[in-house]
Amino acid sequence: EPEVTQTPSHQVTQMGQEVILRCVPISNHLYFYWYRQILGQKVEFLVSFYNNEISEKSEIFDDQFSVERPDGSNFTLKIRSTKLEDSAMYFCASRAGTGFHQPQHFGDGTRLSIL
Amino acid sequence: DAKTTQPPSMDCAEGRAANLPCNHSTISGNEYVYWYRQIHSQGPQYIIHGLKNNETNEMASLIITEDRKSSTLILPHATLRDTAVYYCIVRDTLNTGTASKLTFGTGTRLQVTL
Repeated sequence: EPEVTQTPSHQVTQMGQEVILRCVPISNHLYFYWYRQILGQKVEFLVSFYNNEISEKSEIFDDQFSVERPDGSNFTLKIRSTKLEDSAMYFCASRAGTGFHQPQHFGDGTRLSIL
Repeated sequence: DAKTTQPPSMDCAEGRAANLPCNHSTISGNEYVYWYRQIHSQGPQYIIHGLKNNETNEMASLIITEDRKSSTLILPHATLRDTAVYYCIVRDTLNTGTASKLTFGTGTRLQVTL
């Protein structure tokens, strides 16, 4: 069964450094998402992406964050200058374009640790 | 999106059916009910979704009441590997913009025991 894959599984970065989290969505999916989960807290929506542009973003997704789909397969989340509070699990998800009720499918996440 | 209410935790004996309830009394006509689960710190796993009819797939069954104000996820023969946090989420599928995200609550922590 096709799945969303994320790399790396664990990223350790010094505060203030830039980090790029990578995702390969399910082939032929058209809608892409990033969520995060701080340890012990709820899964929170960050951003949705469709037709090469952001369709919605949360208050968390400030100017330090950006997303890109550089080619036909990858979907990336960049944090420009990381802060301690960015430490979390980051999940990528994708959804088929055939019907708005189609479910989102998630990857297993990247654990981001900011030192 | 309509808000959902789930019990914080439930126990189930292995081999028995696990019935996880969800209340969504403010659900509107365009909103689907989705169930996901999260095993430990893995990514949320899609289980099943429905609008008003009962649904069944290889993982579970979804029973939605006639007034659509509540639903029950049924795992017919729970195993230890079904121990997870289960999320019931209601999502508007009519609008493509702000309504496309999923809003997770705290879910129900299901513990399957021997």
